[in-house]
Order: sequence, then structure tokens, then C-alpha cells
Amino acid sequence: EAGVAQSPRYKIIEKRQSVAFWCNPISGHATLYWYQQILGQGPKLLIQFQNNGVVDDSQLPKDRFSAERLKGVDSTLKIQPAKLEDSAVYLCASSFGGLSNEQFFGPGTRLTVL
Amino acid sequence: AQSVTQLGSHVSVSEGALVLLRCNYSSSVPPYLFWYVQYPNQGLQLLLKYTSAATLVKGINGFEAEFKKSETSFHLTKPSAHMSDAAEYFCAVSVGTNAGKSTFGDGTTLTVKP
Repeated sequence: EAGVAQSPRYKIIEKRQSVAFWCNPISGHATLYWYQQILGQGPKLLIQFQNNGVVDDSQLPKDRFSAERLKGVDSTLKIQPAKLEDSAVYLCASSFGGLSNEQFFGPGTRLTVL
Repeated sequence: AQSVTQLGSHVSVSEGALVLLRCNYSSSVPPYLFWYVQYPNQGLQLLLKYTSAATLVKGINGFEAEFKKSETSFHLTKPSAHMSDAAEYFCAVSVGTNAGKSTFGDGTTLTVKP
């Protein structure tokens, strides 16, 4: 079974530029999550999708971050414009669903904003 | 809202020694609790989870954790450390019907000395 795929693995941009990350979840997983992991901290949930609908985006900085999952499969997270404090690893995870569902994580995209 | 505190950002043990990583949680309702491991440049991998069944939970790689409601703790242990256990470990808590939305601790880096 293929795992969660993310690309790119690394990205370096200058502040005020835009960037996009892509995630392809495990086949059949209805729920998809984007997390931000700042160095030295645990992952923080940015947005959660159930199929192609948003379940929770309460911690997504909507003035600069956006995410979509148009067909209920893969997803894109965008930052525009980027700030220095956006430097982090962006993790995508997926789960099948249910009350005690297990999340499967991708390898992450390491973003450096200069 | 739920929260997690991991006591000790760095733990160092000798190979063959007991591993003890501490996690305390705060939740107003019965929680689901998780331990994840993260190797360098990789995503998180689930070690074990507590979902209100047995209070002693066994996971992969010889790890186990015990849910203690009276102490609001979910400490991770392994009787004998191996060099390959060196990694970062995250405790996470989720509650309610959206069990997939987890709040993570800031992690504990485990170093194993030969």
C-alpha cells in the first residue's frame, strides 16, 4: 500500500513570494490534514478535510494561507505572500475515518523563507 | 480544549537501559491518546494509541504506555533501549467525535548512547 505522498520535499523562497505544496493521501482515505511543524515544536493542525469539504480551518491564517481538495483526493496548500515565520515543515496526513482513526503522515515539505 | 505536556525536551539513555518518556494531558472529557515517533526528515509514525479499552497499551518496536486517569498521564516506556530508538517522540491527545484532530506536545528527543 502506497503511503502519503508530498511534494516538493524542500523549498526555499524569499519573503513575499508565493509557494504551493501538494499532497496525495492513501487511497480510500476520506480525511486529509495539513499540519505546520515549526522547529522544536509539535505539529499544529492548519486544516482538516472530509472528502472535499472543510471540517476545521480554525487555525489556518486565512489572510495568506489557502487549501483545497477539489475532487476529494489530492490537496494543495498555498501560502501567498510568505513571511519569515512561515519557515517550517508542512506535514500532510490522511486517515480512513472513525472515532479512533489513525493518521498516516507523509514525509513533509521543509519550507525556508529568506 | 485539550492539551499535552511532554516533560523533558531531551532524554538520554544508554543502550539496554530503560526508556521513559513522560506525557501529561489535560482534557475535560475522556481522551484518545497517541504516541508518535519521528525520524530525521521523515513524517510521524504511530507507535501506539489509547482508545478507552485496556489501560496498558502495547505498540510497535517494544514500546508500551499506560493510561493513568488519576494522574492524567500517558508515559511511554521500553524496557531496553536500542540504538535505532534514537528519534523524536510526540504525545498527542484528541477528544470527541473528531478524534482525528489531535493536539500534539512539543516532542522529546531521545538519544541512545552506546
